[in-house]
Amino acid sequence: DIQMTQSPSSLSASVGDRVTITCRASQDIRNNLGWYQQKPGKAPKCLIYGAFSLQSGVPSRFSGSGSGTEFTLTISSLQPEDFATYYCLQHNSYPLTFGGGTKVEIK
Amino acid sequence: EVQLVQSGAEVKKPGESLKISCKDSGYSFGSYWIGWVRQMPGKGLEWMAVFNPGDSDTRYSPSFQGQVTVSGDRSVRTAYLQWSSLRASDSALYFCARYHCTTTTCFFDYWGQGTPVTVSS
Repeated sequence: DIQMTQSPSSLSASVGDRVTITCRASQDIRNNLGWYQQKPGKAPKCLIYGAFSLQSGVPSRFSGSGSGTEFTLTISSLQPEDFATYYCLQHNSYPLTFGGGTKVEIK
Repeated sequence: EVQLVQSGAEVKKPGESLKISCKDSGYSFGSYWIGWVRQMPGKGLEWMAVFNPGDSDTRYSPSFQGQVTVSGDRSVRTAYLQWSSLRASDSALYFCARYHCTTTTCFFDYWGQGTPVTVSS
């Protein structure tokens, strides 16, 4: 199984900050990675698919990069509605595997 | 508009069986795979399985293989997740999601609202 190691597990940031979250795959997954945002008690929401493609309706302050084993989600200017938990998900091979999550909290 | 509507909260006793549902509206059920994801209280997301309503092809996570069964009924545009004998450790929030695959990638683009399952004696 492919292991997805996400870091950090949590971070504190202020509105307007640039935030970077990283996922590392235990083996090459090409660009078969997505990023999901989840708010408490709600269903996850896809932000990025195919490592860097912005899902329809998602603000352009979100961006994804990387390929192979190292991937990054960047929020260029953190907004109040962005405080949430973020997960990466690899779909290169079964079983699909999520990262452990990154909780973005208000500083 | 695509919408996945899941069945309501369940409270069960250990050893009981359960079948929860995920009904689509607004898209061609059978044209997309449906996935199931578990979230235990205070924990992260865990992928359980994906199911193809078109041909009933199913892929399970090894962690859930043999523990649950996924299925679907195209006539009512509904996917199912079922347990034959629940355990307390099955208490969690369960999400269904549409697994959208293009020629180059796949992703879960639409999600149900989640079904909370509580298993307690």
